[in-house]
Amino acid sequence: DIQMTQSPSTLSASVGDRVTITCRASQSISFWLAWYQQKPGKAPKLLIYKASTLEIGVPSRFSGSGSGTEFTLTIGSLQPDDFATYYCQQYSSNSKTFGQGTKVEIK
Amino acid sequence: ESLLVESGGGLVQPGGSLRLSCEASGFTFSAYSMNWVRQAPGKGLEWVSYISGSGSPMYYADSVKGRCTISRDNAKNSLFLQMSSLRVEDTAIYYCASARAARGAFELWGQGTMVIVSS
Repeated sequence: DIQMTQSPSTLSASVGDRVTITCRASQSISFWLAWYQQKPGKAPKLLIYKASTLEIGVPSRFSGSGSGTEFTLTIGSLQPDDFATYYCQQYSSNSKTFGQGTKVEIK
Repeated sequence: ESLLVESGGGLVQPGGSLRLSCEASGFTFSAYSMNWVRQAPGKGLEWVSYISGSGSPMYYADSVKGRCTISRDNAKNSLFLQMSSLRVEDTAIYYCASARAARGAFELWGQGTMVIVSS
């Protein structure tokens, strides 16, 4: 199975900060990567698919980049609503694995 | 509005069985592939199983292979997960999630149903 590794596991930041989360795949997944946001007690929400395509309704401060094995999620200017846990997911293979998550906390 | 609603969770003893359901509304269910994803308490997301819009193929995570069967009834806009030989480590919130394509991100999620495996 393809392993997905996110870094960091936890990130402390302030409102207005630019935040970057990295996701690495154990083998090439081309651009078949998604990013999700999850808040406590809620289901995950799709933010980005195909590595860099913003889902409808997602604010433009979110962006994604990368291909192959290395990907990033960037939040251009962190807002109070963005404090949450973020997951990457590869859907290149039949087994659609998630990263372990990155919790974005208030500094 | 597109919606997924899971049901069927509960408390079950180790070795027991449970059938989860997911009812879809607001979209053409048969056109979407479907997945089950679970989340153990305080842990991350774990993909469990996939089924195409037509009902085949199906794929499973190694952790549930041989113990779980995914199925769907497109006439009733419903997705199922039959779980057997349940283990304590299967305790989790189980979400169903839809994807626009066979190879697609999960754009719609249900609210989840809790499965607790305990004696």
